[in-house]
Formats: sequence, C-alpha cells, structure tokens
Amino acid sequence: RKEVEQDPGPFNVPEGATVAFNCTYSNSASQSFFWYRQDCRKEPKLLMSVYSSGNEDGRFTAQLNRASQYISLLIRDSKLSDSATYLCVVNIMDNYGQNFVFGPGTRLSVLP
Amino acid sequence: DVKVTQSSRYLVKRTGEKVFLECVQDMDHENMFWYRQDPGLGLRLIYFSYDVKMKEKGDIPEGYSVSREKKERFSLILESASTNQTSMYLCASSPRGVNQPQHFGDGTRLSIL
Repeated sequence: RKEVEQDPGPFNVPEGATVAFNCTYSNSASQSFFWYRQDCRKEPKLLMSVYSSGNEDGRFTAQLNRASQYISLLIRDSKLSDSATYLCVVNIMDNYGQNFVFGPGTRLSVLP
Repeated sequence: DVKVTQSSRYLVKRTGEKVFLECVQDMDHENMFWYRQDPGLGLRLIYFSYDVKMKEKGDIPEGYSVSREKKERFSLILESASTNQTSMYLCASSPRGVNQPQHFGDGTRLSIL
C-alpha cells in the first residue's frame, strides 16, 4: 500500500464548478500536511498547509481528519487558472527530522 | 519570500560525463532535498541533507552523490551520466521543525544523450 494516495483523476470540470480532491495517508505518525499545485513542466508550489481545525484561503478549503487519516481540498468557483496537478504532501518526523512524502497528484482541468 | 535557485533550467550532457547540478537557497534553511520527477512516477527523493556536511540517502540514490559544504548550497552530482538519468531535477529546502513546508526551485530539465 502506498504511503500517500490521491484520487486518480483527471478531473474535468466547467468554470464555476466546485471540485473536491481526496488524499489518504497510511502512517499514523504523520504530523503535518500540505497541498501543493504543480503546473505543467513547472515546480510544485505551496498552495496551503492543512491544520487539524481545517483552514480556508479564499476559494480553497482544506480539511484534515486524523482519525480516518484523510485530507481533502475543496475548490469553489473554479477558474481556468486553477488547471494544474494538485499534490498532497505528508510530513513525518523521524530520526533525521523531516520526511516529506508526496502523493502521485490529481490533475484538474477547468474548461471554459 | 523564499528563493531557491537552481543553476540551470535546461541542460544537455553526454553519456559518461560527470554532471553537477547546483542549488542555492537564501533563507538560512537547515534542510535541503534533491528529487527527480518522471511522468507517471511522481516525485522521488534522491538525497537530502539536514545540516552542513551532512547527507542522507533517499529512495533512489544509486548513480548520484551530493555535497553540502555550505548551509545555503546543496549540489547533486551524477558521477557518470547515463540515459536513464534524463529527467526533471527539483531542489527544495525547508526550515527545521514541524509544520514547515518545502520550497522548490524552478527545476533543471536534464537530457543525457
């Protein structure tokens, strides 16, 4: 079983739609969680950190459920510019400090 | 704003050459990482470093080595480049501590002919 799994995608949605991505992780010792977006042939960029209480940044809402080991990202009122691959990242502290584990990513295409 | 700078955006080398990829960060981060990213395989960790002169193997270290002589600089070395090392290489850094995300450089698209 992979350590971090995401919806396989791709997701093709019309402009203005609401879309949700899911991510599950297997290591219960995971301590911090992030969503990154990656545009084609570019580097991953931090979208938002995910906190236990859930957090919102404009049209984006992230939720964490530690009991179910599940993270979600909700995008409301999708824009064409939201088209990208969304990566779920889990940080596990080990003897060396930080160990970042990346999910395979879910690709989103927002269509006009 | 965090800045992670990779020395080359595109690089073409020949089989057997020794290749150096440089990465510099300007935020005094303790942690630095090298990944490669290939279609369908996602991001794979090659090496990482938690401090100056310190290095640890990641998931796919074979054929690579690294150097961290200064805190801000982390170099990836392909000892004898092979065609299967053609890939996108991404450097990242992060501060020490929980809830600290990674910040990535622009990436180096390396082709080995």
